[in-house]
Amino acid sequence: DQQVKQNSPSLSVQEGRISILNCDYTNSMFDYFLWYKKYPAEGPTFLISISSIKDKNEDGRFTVFLNKSAKHLSLHIVPSQPGDSAVYFCAASRNAGNMLTFGGGTRLMVKP
Amino acid sequence: DARVTQTPRHKVTEMGQEVTMRCQPILGHNTVFWYRQTMMQGLELLAYFRNRAPLDDSGMPKDRFSAEMPDATLATLKIQPSEPRDSAVYFCASGLGHGGSVNEQFFGPGTRLTVL
Repeated sequence: DQQVKQNSPSLSVQEGRISILNCDYTNSMFDYFLWYKKYPAEGPTFLISISSIKDKNEDGRFTVFLNKSAKHLSLHIVPSQPGDSAVYFCAASRNAGNMLTFGGGTRLMVKP
Repeated sequence: DARVTQTPRHKVTEMGQEVTMRCQPILGHNTVFWYRQTMMQGLELLAYFRNRAPLDDSGMPKDRFSAEMPDATLATLKIQPSEPRDSAVYFCASGLGHGGSVNEQFFGPGTRLTVL
């Protein structure tokens, strides 16, 4: 039973355009959501997070949107850069600092 | 330069052998997590500790896996006996967990385990 799902295993985007990565969850008890970025042979690194009391959080080129009624969140990267090419994981938890439940990841490829 | 360290980075062993993976969390972090990444399951939580006490190990096969924190600077994950299906990348992560606080987990580089 996957509580966090990333339905697109891969996404290809042209440099300079917007990348939109999507994530759906089923557990209504989740109240804290994060995005992690992972390069090959490295551990995931934290990118951006959002609490359920918000519907948007922005950090530079990265914006996370949360739609609680739809149990859906998305990560927007604008403008996309070749260095953004990586696997992106969506994660959720009940209360910050507790265990994370991860989605399966989306591989983003940004073409020059 | 605070970071989570893991040893070994790579381990190849034969089925039936004991495997021990070690993790040094970031100094001051009170929560340590063990995750496993496989092609089929993605990133799954195996166990986690807060202030060295195990909080959840429901994701871990109890008959062969064990996780401990002998002290605040060391977490270990053991597999005995190892099986080919244990082949995966094992990640350790640490964080400041005190519920309701906005904190992320910091991941180590992982241990790539291959069981032949």
